[in-house]
Amino acid sequence: AQKITQTQPGMFVQEKEAVTLDCTYDTSDQSYGLFWYKQPSSGEMIFLIYQGSYDEQNATEGRYSLNFQKARKSANLVISASQLGDSAMYFCAMYRGTYKYIFGTGTRLKVLA
Amino acid sequence: DVKVTQSSRYLVKRTGEKVFLECVQDMDHENMFWYRQDPGLGLRLIYFSYDVKMKEKGDIPEGYSVSREKKERFSLILESASTNQTSMYLCASSYPTGTSGRVVSYEQYFGPGTRLTVT
Repeated sequence: AQKITQTQPGMFVQEKEAVTLDCTYDTSDQSYGLFWYKQPSSGEMIFLIYQGSYDEQNATEGRYSLNFQKARKSANLVISASQLGDSAMYFCAMYRGTYKYIFGTGTRLKVLA
Repeated sequence: DVKVTQSSRYLVKRTGEKVFLECVQDMDHENMFWYRQDPGLGLRLIYFSYDVKMKEKGDIPEGYSVSREKKERFSLILESASTNQTSMYLCASSYPTGTSGRVVSYEQYFGPGTRLTVT
């Protein structure tokens, strides 16, 4: 069965430091997509970064990068130079075919001043 | 920019009431989705639609129905609201993404969410 696992319910990081949020996935498909979303306290889900299963390079978007290790089935999000505004809930998600997605349970990140 | 709007940010309803949650997107996306979000459970798919008048059940459709009469609008209906339907409801729309001409998946855009309380 397809599954997304985020094992860190909550994390703290000092401002300006880097932080890694873990995500592992389980699928038997060869073609899939992995996403990370940020959800601030306001509630809106904000798309951060996408990695396709056929992409050979790790995706990067500004301070966000996705550490994609296909053999280990992990897709960790790395946030460099953390800012106070990065405090939010972060969700890992996978496209599972036929228009549908599966989401992890999320990691709440708190950036400390 | 893609914009997905939801009719209400906060809603309070009584048990047994019929509840309508509206979602509108302005980018001509074919696919639209309704999720509910509960602490510790992440987002769970209620229903989705891949075309006008087309709908498919997600993982937790019980107690809900949907309507898509126009491409831009996707409505979630709680036929008889119950307290266990108190939750955050998120609407999303999507379009295909991929590299090297290969469509791998569909990036989703979300609305601001509706926090529904059923008393």
